[in-house]
Amino acid sequence: AQTIHQWPVAEIKAVGSPLSLGCTIKGKSSPNLYWYWQATGGTLQQLFYSITVGQVESVVQLNLSASRPKDDQFILSTEKLLLSHSGFYLCAWSLWGNSGNTLYFGEGSRLIVV
Amino acid sequence: GEQVEQRPPHLSVREGDSAIIICTYTDSATAYFSWYKQEAGAGLQLLMSVLSNVDRKEEQGLTVLLNKKDKRLSLNLTAAHPGDSAVYFCAVGRSNTNKVVFGTGTRLQVLP
Repeated sequence: AQTIHQWPVAEIKAVGSPLSLGCTIKGKSSPNLYWYWQATGGTLQQLFYSITVGQVESVVQLNLSASRPKDDQFILSTEKLLLSHSGFYLCAWSLWGNSGNTLYFGEGSRLIVV
Repeated sequence: GEQVEQRPPHLSVREGDSAIIICTYTDSATAYFSWYKQEAGAGLQLLMSVLSNVDRKEEQGLTVLLNKKDKRLSLNLTAAHPGDSAVYFCAVGRSNTNKVVFGTGTRLQVLP
């Protein structure tokens, strides 16, 4: 069975400090990977997706960057946090199948920027 | 680009009643549709996915209806129970892209 693990679970960071959020998928070879951002009480905004190692497509950047250093790992980062980066970050993997491109989400990383 | 509207934003029903959530989308090339449930502080749990060639799908007390003519997708929870209280999102996408657009969410409260 596939599992998806996000880290850290939560962070409180200062404005201007760097950030790195990670996501690891086990049990699925060469998955499509995604980063979403969710403001408190809001909808999900797709930030990035990746279909293979070393290749990342930006949907909305929000002064963030993403990398895929390994087949099973997706990293979201920035060198300087803004207050507007606060929110809930969700990593997902997808499987194209009989019902289309179905996303499976991790448990998320909550970020508070102060 | 694709725009997805979801309504109602808040919904309160009694235990045993049905709850209906509706999404409307703008892109006629939308090819697949999903519904997710999000409990407080947690990630999204997939409820059901359908392709555009499916008009109706039922699973475990949930019914998804797709009206392609009106570009409308609905989720019907029959006989809701308190454990169904959560935020529900629809999600849609085209077959030739990895961009998946989410609706604005519906906060469902099921009262005992």
